[in-house]
Amino acid sequence: ILNVEQSPQSLHVQEGDSTNFTCSFPSSNFYALHWYRWETAKSPEALFVMTLNGDEKKKGRISATLNTKEGYSYLYIKGSQPEDSATYLCALNQGGKLIFGQGTELSVKP
Amino acid sequence: EAQVTQNPRYLITVTGKKLTVTCSQNMNHEYMSWYRQDPGLGLRQIYYSMNVEVTDKGDVPEGYKVSRKEKRNFPLILESPSPNQTSLYFCASSGLPTDTQYFGPGTRLTVL
Repeated sequence: ILNVEQSPQSLHVQEGDSTNFTCSFPSSNFYALHWYRWETAKSPEALFVMTLNGDEKKKGRISATLNTKEGYSYLYIKGSQPEDSATYLCALNQGGKLIFGQGTELSVKP
Repeated sequence: EAQVTQNPRYLITVTGKKLTVTCSQNMNHEYMSWYRQDPGLGLRQIYYSMNVEVTDKGDVPEGYKVSRKEKRNFPLILESPSPNQTSLYFCASSGLPTDTQYFGPGTRLTVL
């Protein structure tokens, strides 16, 4: 059974701090890597889809990088704000079959 | 408005009583998928569909059935629900299997 690991499990930061989390996955049979943002009582919201080794994507203060050869992706949040508080999920996409990590729960204190 | 809808949003039922959770998308997406979310276990894929009449098992298909007779609809069927199927269920769709997936609002199911 393939495993997608995310670390840390949870993170508490102060407003203005920059932070990053990791998603690790087996590098074989790679099609795409998804990042989602999931707020309590809402549905997961897509952040990025990454497919190529070396990919870097950015959306406002959030960016992500991908290394398919070593099997990891980093998500960075620059200058965290309280509204960034959420669970951040990554998912390995194997051509339609998705395996999610357990998520990193981010809490940003004002 | 482009969206994925699920019905019902909340359901309490009893063991063994067949139920269907509907999922519909208005984006002409080919790919659709069902997930369940349980505390400590994250999101797990139940079934997915690449197109009409094409479905495949995800990681946790036992106890579930799906059908894809039309492109827009992908119902999840529990023929004989059991308490271990109490969970939060999400439907999602995307244009292609590796595209960004759009999630429905979720269905909270309780099986007594």
